[in-house]
Amino acid sequence: DAGVTQSPTHLIKTRGQHVTLRCSPISGHKSVSWYQQVLGQGPQFIFQYYEKEERGRGNFPDRFSARQFPNYSSELNVNALLLGDSALYLCASSLARGLQSGANVLTFGAGSRLTVL
Amino acid sequence: AQKVTQAQTEISVVEKEDVTLDCVYETRDTTYYLFWYKQPPSGELVFLIRRNSFDEQNEISGRYSWNFQKSTSSFNFTITASQVVDSAVYFCALSEAPRGGYQKVTFGIGTKLQVIP
Repeated sequence: DAGVTQSPTHLIKTRGQHVTLRCSPISGHKSVSWYQQVLGQGPQFIFQYYEKEERGRGNFPDRFSARQFPNYSSELNVNALLLGDSALYLCASSLARGLQSGANVLTFGAGSRLTVL
Repeated sequence: AQKVTQAQTEISVVEKEDVTLDCVYETRDTTYYLFWYKQPPSGELVFLIRRNSFDEQNEISGRYSWNFQKSTSSFNFTITASQVVDSAVYFCALSEAPRGGYQKVTFGIGTKLQVIP
């Protein structure tokens, strides 16, 4: 079975540009979360989507947006890129939300490494 | 607010030595979940273990063992007879019971383990 797949794996952008990152969850997983991992740090929560709706958002500016499609795949969009946006962007999928969603094991993809020059 | 502290940023051990990775967490909730993930150089976070706040039993899985102590808010991870393949960054993470139905996982900064042959 395919795991969480992300594309592209690497990309280079310049300041002010826009980027779109894509994620396909594990089959049967309805929840997708996005995390940003700056070099030398742990992943930081950006968004969680479930059933095509945003369910939670971390402390990130409005330049960051995302959406989830009917097939549960997801896109992360970042506008007006800054040097500080250079990071590994990780997508994770899990089975469900709900009262026990805090217990969900997140399955991560290999990430998209973004470099902003 | 939830917080995870991994005081050891880098550890080097010689192969076959035992090594313990420390994790201390902060949370106001009585229901929460603790995780350990491994991140090899490829970048993909690999799930190792989940423990809920009501289960303080220690766990052993092969060469891996985990010691959860609520009294000291610690969830330490020990690798016995370390091997070169254990070299990676290890993250401790905390997930609280959801508010608004979403799951936000807070990661520590990670401990980079280098096992020297």
